[in-house]
Amino acid sequence: AQKVTQAQTEISVVEKEDVTLDCVYETRDTTYYLFWYKQPPSGELVFLIRRNSFDEQNEISGRYSWNFQKSTSSFNFTITASQVVDSAVYFCALRSFSSNTGKLIFGQGTTLQVKP
Amino acid sequence: GAGVSQSPSNKVTEKGKDVELRCDPISGHTALYWYRQSLGQGLEFLIYFQGNSAPDKSGLPSDRFSAERTGGSVSTLTIQRTQQEDSAVYLCASSLSNSYEQYFGPGTRLTVT
Repeated sequence: AQKVTQAQTEISVVEKEDVTLDCVYETRDTTYYLFWYKQPPSGELVFLIRRNSFDEQNEISGRYSWNFQKSTSSFNFTITASQVVDSAVYFCALRSFSSNTGKLIFGQGTTLQVKP
Repeated sequence: GAGVSQSPSNKVTEKGKDVELRCDPISGHTALYWYRQSLGQGLEFLIYFQGNSAPDKSGLPSDRFSAERTGGSVSTLTIQRTQQEDSAVYLCASSLSNSYEQYFGPGTRLTVT
């Protein structure tokens, strides 16, 4: 069975703090994709990053960085110097490569509140 | 370019009525997905289209739910004899193929009274 767990339901930080959102996944597949999406208060899910299972290189994009560790089945997301505009619900998702479907298995989401 | 669009943005219906929700994917995207987001269940997959066919319908919760896609573009999700538990935000997404990232529309908020 495939599963994504985001253990942190809500996180509150003060602007300029760094924050890490945890994501742990379960899959029996050797090849899979992992994703992060952001859902701001407006409601529309915004794609942030896709990572495939055979590329464990960490990625940085501006204030965002992602740490993929296959050994611990984790794909954590760090926001450096958080801003109020980062306040949103963040979802981690998993997609199996072996199945003939692109369906995403989502975690329950982490609500991030950044206070000024 | 234009993103995924959905209509209506909000729909209020009485229990027992049928509803149709529409999705216009990004031009050129062959894969289309429907998901449902509700407070208790989070984000749930409903159905996946590749072109006009639906190889994965495993997420449809009951036979009251159906979907079709025509011309490899527009898709319609139909819910017959709506129930209160169908109240949710219905999200549509599209991607270049099933290997690529999915881009989501703004959703249709369905309220069944």
